[in-house]
Amino acid sequence: GENVEQHPSTLSVQEGDSAVIKCTYSDSASNYFPWYKQELGKRPQLIIDIRSNVGEKKDQRIAVTLNKTAKHFSLHITETQPEDSAVYFCAPLRGSARQLTFGSGTQLTVLP
Amino acid sequence: TAGITQAPTSQILAAGRSMTLRCTQDMRHNAMYWYRQDLGLGLRLIHYSNTAGTTGKGEVPDGYSVSRANTDDFPLTLASAVPSQTSVYFCASSEQSYNSPLHFGNGTRLTVT
Repeated sequence: GENVEQHPSTLSVQEGDSAVIKCTYSDSASNYFPWYKQELGKRPQLIIDIRSNVGEKKDQRIAVTLNKTAKHFSLHITETQPEDSAVYFCAPLRGSARQLTFGSGTQLTVLP
Repeated sequence: TAGITQAPTSQILAAGRSMTLRCTQDMRHNAMYWYRQDLGLGLRLIHYSNTAGTTGKGEVPDGYSVSRANTDDFPLTLASAVPSQTSVYFCASSEQSYNSPLHFGNGTRLTVT
């Protein structure tokens, strides 16, 4: 099956700084790469996704970069704010099974 | 409000008892999913349905069953609960069975004693 690893598992940054979370996967057939945000006690929500035909996608303070050769993609958050504090999950699509496999999550804390 | 409704919000269940977790969506999405979330393990897929009338097994299907009689409903049944099934259960839907964002319900917190 798909092996998905997220790093780091916890990340603390000062408000206004940038945060980067990396996700590595093993299935070379993966072609869809979303990131989900889950606030404490809430449901996960999609924040950004990218497909394999592009290398980068940006939405305001959030961006995702994809390196298909190296089989990893990263979430970049700039100018972090306290409301960015949450757990972030990557969930690359397993090409063969066509199902998402979630990483174990990264707890991001933005310190005021 | 459009979206996914899960019931109950929380439940305490004695080991050996059966229970059905309910999930209803009003977005006319083709695909639906059940995930369980345990601390440190992220979200793991239990069962899925790509379209009404079909179901499939995910990563951790043992001890659970599902049905998809229509587009809107996707109930999850625990036939004989065990303590290891203590978890938070999320139902989700997506427009298509792949390459589409997942929309999650608010979750059901289940404790098996």
